Amino acid sequence: GQQVMQIPQYQHVQEGEDFTTYCNSSTTLSNIQWYKQRPGGHPVFLIQLVKSGEVKKQKRLTFQFGEAKKNSSLHITATQTTDVGTYFCAGPRSGGYQKVTFGTGTKLQVIP
Amino acid sequence: DTGVSQDPRHKITKRGQNVTFRCDPISEHNRLYWYRQTLGQGPEFLTYFQNEAQLEKSRLLSDRFSAERPKGSFSTLEIQRTEQGDSAMYLCASSSWTGGRYNSPLHFGNGTRLTVT
Repeated sequence: GQQVMQIPQYQHVQEGEDFTTYCNSSTTLSNIQWYKQRPGGHPVFLIQLVKSGEVKKQKRLTFQFGEAKKNSSLHITATQTTDVGTYFCAGPRSGGYQKVTFGTGTKLQVIP
Repeated sequence: DTGVSQDPRHKITKRGQNVTFRCDPISEHNRLYWYRQTLGQGPEFLTYFQNEAQLEKSRLLSDRFSAERPKGSFSTLEIQRTEQGDSAMYLCASSSWTGGRYNSPLHFGNGTRLTVT
């Protein structure tokens, strides 16, 4: 079945350093979403990408959808302590209805 | 928009007991999802509804789990004869789907944390 893997699983960075997480799907995705989950919180929607090669920016966050629509990345420039949390990519199951499958997540820790 | 509400926030139960959780989605949202999340893992899909119709149920879900959304508004998730392996955070999410080809953003509740002793 479809799998959505993320690397790395964990990342510790010094405040001010950049951070990137990568999302890889075993199947082509029609679209991909990114969510952030703060410690003790619930996932919060960040963005959705739908076009091949699409790049979107939200302040210090840059999201990219691969040309083949099987991978995606999230890059954070100059991390801040408020960026702490787990970042998940999520995509629809191939075919069928709109079940959203979440990736394994990347847990980011920012050291002040 | 009051967000997605889940009740209770925490539930401790003994193995073999039945438990029921409730989710109140954002009022105008027609889709409602249930996910389960264990420590260090991503949310795992359980089932989802469009209005009152249950459109999909995970094959990983045993027959002890059942969900309803009787009037297309709130939903309940029942677990019968709970087992220790059922201990997890149960998350509800809702979305508004208007028929496009892309899935809509999910709005999650704070979850119900179940502990089975």
